[in-house]
Amino acid sequence: EADIYQTPRYLVIGTGKKITLECSQTMGHDKMYWYQQDPGMELHLIHYSYGVNSTEKGDLSSESTVSRIRTEHFPLTLESARPSHTSQYLCASSDGTYNEQFFGPGTRLTVL
Amino acid sequence: AQSVAQPEDQVNVAEGNPLTVKCTYSVSGNPYLFWYVQYPNRGLQFLLKYITGDNLVKGSYGFEAEFNKSQTSFHLKKPSALVSDSALYFCAVRVLNTGGFKTIFGAGTRLFVKA
Repeated sequence: EADIYQTPRYLVIGTGKKITLECSQTMGHDKMYWYQQDPGMELHLIHYSYGVNSTEKGDLSSESTVSRIRTEHFPLTLESARPSHTSQYLCASSDGTYNEQFFGPGTRLTVL
Repeated sequence: AQSVAQPEDQVNVAEGNPLTVKCTYSVSGNPYLFWYVQYPNRGLQFLLKYITGDNLVKGSYGFEAEFNKSQTSFHLKKPSALVSDSALYFCAVRVLNTGGFKTIFGAGTRLFVKA
């Protein structure tokens, strides 16, 4: 079944730890995105990719990094987590110019 | 600057009554408009979109939206609200920017439907 997956769904971690949030999609979409969203609030684009080996920073400055080595996989990494990184992170994918984005279920990150 | 606005933080409606969630946009060129819904602890789900053609667009779960070019609006509507429609709704516009197309999301409107 075509879908977009994010793991873990919830993560509680201590300050200074390195973390990687996983995102995979089985739809063959060329475009993928990472958004940061505080619960019930607006979305902020932090990274996007238009294809393999292509990554760009979004509108909201973020200390995270991303990679796109395979079409289906777009992981986000924080080298040293801080309490200010506590938020929900949503991954999405799309294809074409006018098509909608498909969102994963999100990862709720809490940094203590 | 290209933008999308959702003027209401929250909309309250009684079950069975019609609902409207407002969205206005400011873009140069043709707008490509979308509505998404977010239920608690979930990602966003696509509801409907306007690219071209008929100004009235029908989407999932009985929702529809009307594109009004003169008023630069794309309000989401449903003739009869359900309690299960209670959620956070986002309007979005896809625009051509330097470097390619990008999607701009509104700040979201929380819909409460009372039984």
